[in-house]
Amino acid sequence: SAVISQKPSRDICQRGTSLTIQCQVDSQVTMMFWYRQQPGQSLTLIATANQGSEATYESGFVIDKFPISRPNLTFSTLTVSNMSPEDSSIYLCSVQKETGAVGYTFGSGTRLTVV
Amino acid sequence: GQQLNQSPQSMFIQEGEDVSMNCTSSSIFNTWLWYKQEPGEGPVLLIALYKAGELTSNGRLTAQFGITRKDSFLNISASIPSDVGIYFCAGFNAGNNRKLIWGLGTSLAVNP
Repeated sequence: SAVISQKPSRDICQRGTSLTIQCQVDSQVTMMFWYRQQPGQSLTLIATANQGSEATYESGFVIDKFPISRPNLTFSTLTVSNMSPEDSSIYLCSVQKETGAVGYTFGSGTRLTVV
Repeated sequence: GQQLNQSPQSMFIQEGEDVSMNCTSSSIFNTWLWYKQEPGEGPVLLIALYKAGELTSNGRLTAQFGITRKDSFLNISASIPSDVGIYFCAGFNAGNNRKLIWGLGTSLAVNP
């Protein structure tokens, strides 16, 4: 399966600032996703990162708050903009290597605390 | 959005005991997946199930795809301390094969 490197692994940020999270995969993948996992909760899909076009956002998530880039088939970034304490969560990058591949592979996540 | 009903929410057991957890849905699913998440890590896929009635094992783990296609269970036999973590069910329902739907997780603690 694909190996995912996600950076940073954790950060503490001031409210009102922005943080960009990077997801690097060791091989080309068809699908890349960004998830949020709030403390003690399950995973919530933020958006699907599309290579060369705008990301597809899930209900409740907007591009102005969570801009996403995917310049190629191995890399994506998620920015959490104008942060507030409610944005404190684990943010996870996930990939599906090939269409129809078994399940998704996850990065180790970025633990974000906003103070 | 839609979520799966996963139970129990948490379990605290003695080493060596068997564990069982399950997931149910109000709609039909095409695929069931079971993941484990350890602290500070992302979820790792344990078992994938593709058809009704399918029973699949991975070491001490066994999972089944329910006949009705609306449920799945995961069993862990002879638990050991490294089984500690949060177990999530997830799946694709028949109406949307592109979006993975998640359970709320079962937190497992094992007393050595």
